[in-house]
Amino acid sequence: NAGVTQTPKFQVLKTGQSMTLQCAQDMNHEYMSWYRQDPGMGLRLIHYSVGAGITDQGEVPNGYNVSRSTTEDFPLRLLSAAPSQTSVYFCASSYGGDRGEGYTFGSGTRLTVV
Amino acid sequence: GDSVTQMEGPVTLSEEAFLTINCTYTATGYPSLFWYVQYPGEGLQLLLKATKADDKGSNKGFEATYRKETTSFHLEKGSVQVSDSAVYFCALSEAYSGYSTLTFGKGTMLLVSP
Repeated sequence: NAGVTQTPKFQVLKTGQSMTLQCAQDMNHEYMSWYRQDPGMGLRLIHYSVGAGITDQGEVPNGYNVSRSTTEDFPLRLLSAAPSQTSVYFCASSYGGDRGEGYTFGSGTRLTVV
Repeated sequence: GDSVTQMEGPVTLSEEAFLTINCTYTATGYPSLFWYVQYPGEGLQLLLKATKADDKGSNKGFEATYRKETTSFHLEKGSVQVSDSAVYFCALSEAYSGYSTLTFGKGTMLLVSP
């Protein structure tokens, strides 16, 4: 089925470990974004990309890296995990621009850092 | 910067009651407006959208009208069902230099009892 696929669904990390959250979409969308969802905070933008090779920071980028080598994939890297990064992470994609298309979201990755 | 303010929840209703969830926004330009819904344990799904003033978005019995004069996009449903229990997010998308990202409200939990 077409859509946004995130892996893994659940992950537990120890403080200081690194990992990559994977995100792939098969809708040929230009725009991809990573959000984190925390209780009482809604969703906050971490990083986004407007096309292959182009990324930029969102509201809460510290501690995260991204790259976009292909249109389909937009991985999120945690270089040295901290307990403050315990959250639910959502990847989203869109055709892009202010076209009012809305974003398609993945099902999320629940990350716990101990 | 852009921001979205939603009424705090939880909103608790009996089945077949009328629902209103208030949403107001601030934006520098002319944004597109969205309501997303998140069912327990799932990602966000686009519920409805509106791209210009006085547009009415509708889906699954839910409606919201883009009110530019009051900068509002309130969500309404005439008769809620138990299956509508979820978290509802109001969001806006505004284009800057040819790209756009989503800004979310903090979400409103709706609980519908039989």
